[in-house]
Amino acid sequence: GEDVEQSLFLSVREGDSSVINCTYTDSSSTYLYWYKQEPGAGLQLLTYIFSNMDMKQDQRLTVLLNKKDKHLSLRIADTQTGDSAIYFCADLTGNTPLVFGKGTRLSVIA
Amino acid sequence: DAMVIQNPRYQVTQFGKPVTLSCSQTLNHNVMYWYQQKSSQAPKLLFHYYDKDFNNEADTPDNFQSRRPNTSFCFLDIRSPGLGDAAMYLCATSRATGEIRYFGPGTRLTVT
Repeated sequence: GEDVEQSLFLSVREGDSSVINCTYTDSSSTYLYWYKQEPGAGLQLLTYIFSNMDMKQDQRLTVLLNKKDKHLSLRIADTQTGDSAIYFCADLTGNTPLVFGKGTRLSVIA
Repeated sequence: DAMVIQNPRYQVTQFGKPVTLSCSQTLNHNVMYWYQQKSSQAPKLLFHYYDKDFNNEADTPDNFQSRRPNTSFCFLDIRSPGLGDAAMYLCATSRATGEIRYFGPGTRLTVT
């Protein structure tokens, strides 16, 4: 079945850029998502990208999609302490269940 | 404005005592989902409703049931909670199964 992989931890200094990477295996993905989860909270949809796009920018967030390598990344510019959270990459293919990665815990050091 | 609402946010139940978690949505979406998320893990889909059609995941235990009395509400019933059922339970909605999924804030269930 579909597999989505992420590195588990990332630590950056406040003001630096963060890059969270994700790889997936299903070549027929329709949407790829990034969700943010703060401690004890639900999942907040941060951004998403259609599979026919290479890049999407939304304020401090930039999503890059490399379909050939099945690689997705989320760049957060000017990372702030409020960005500390777990970030989940998720892959949606047709009507199959949304497949999540295990999440990357981002720690921002002041 | 909250679009997917879950109540309560925190629920404590006793081992074996039935418990019901609630989800409501203001998006008028056709599909409602229930996920279980254990500590430090990704959310795991339990089941979903497409309108009134119930779709159970193959590995969802029989102990977990769901009801959707109308478009806006969906309930998760745990008939006999075990200690292993302690988790965050997330409700989500989407217009169709192939479309963007919006999550509620979750209900953290503790089993004593």
